[in-house]
Amino acid sequence: KAGVTQTPRYLIKTRGQQVTLSCSPISGHRSVSWYQQTPGQGLQFLFEYFSETQRNKGNFPGRFSGRQFSNSRSEMNVSTLELGDSALYLCASSQPDYGYTFGSGTRLTVV
Amino acid sequence: GQQLNQSPQSMFIQEGEDVSMNCTSSSIFNTWLWYKQEPGEGPVLLIALYKAGELTSNGRLTAQFGITRKDSFLNISASIPSDVGIYFCAGPYTDKLIFGTGTRLQVFP
Repeated sequence: KAGVTQTPRYLIKTRGQQVTLSCSPISGHRSVSWYQQTPGQGLQFLFEYFSETQRNKGNFPGRFSGRQFSNSRSEMNVSTLELGDSALYLCASSQPDYGYTFGSGTRLTVV
Repeated sequence: GQQLNQSPQSMFIQEGEDVSMNCTSSSIFNTWLWYKQEPGEGPVLLIALYKAGELTSNGRLTAQFGITRKDSFLNISASIPSDVGIYFCAGPYTDKLIFGTGTRLQVFP
């Protein structure tokens, strides 16, 4: 079965702009989690969505938001981009036993 | 917040050598997961551990759930070049999955 698909793979934006990243989970998986990965901070949890509801949220500013659609696809949005938002953004879909499957990520560069 | 500390931070070994790495936390975990991340890709689940003291193998990989439930170990036997990557431990904490700091493995032929 198809894995987790994230689009786009690479993105370059300028400071102050906003960006939307997309994640299509494995068919049948209703939970989608987002992580930010940077060399300095490692993998940091952003938020989790389950059945279109945000179930959990990490310690990120309100500029980071997300949503999930009825088909379980999820998007995350970052507004007013800062240089420090440059990172690999990873999406994972999961079953209840924490069997997270990650996508290949979106590499965001803010210039 | 809760952190998972992994050691060593990086390893440079020769092909054929065995590798050991560990992960520790200050809190008790009921599940330990080990992931591997290759350049340009997301982490891939290698082994899942669900019971204290459990020892699980996946090919040349063996992982153990520490008896105190505050640590876990991953061993790789007879390393090969494709073992190169970053290895992360992970565990559920306050309803989210948190990740360790990672161990970067380099294998030289």
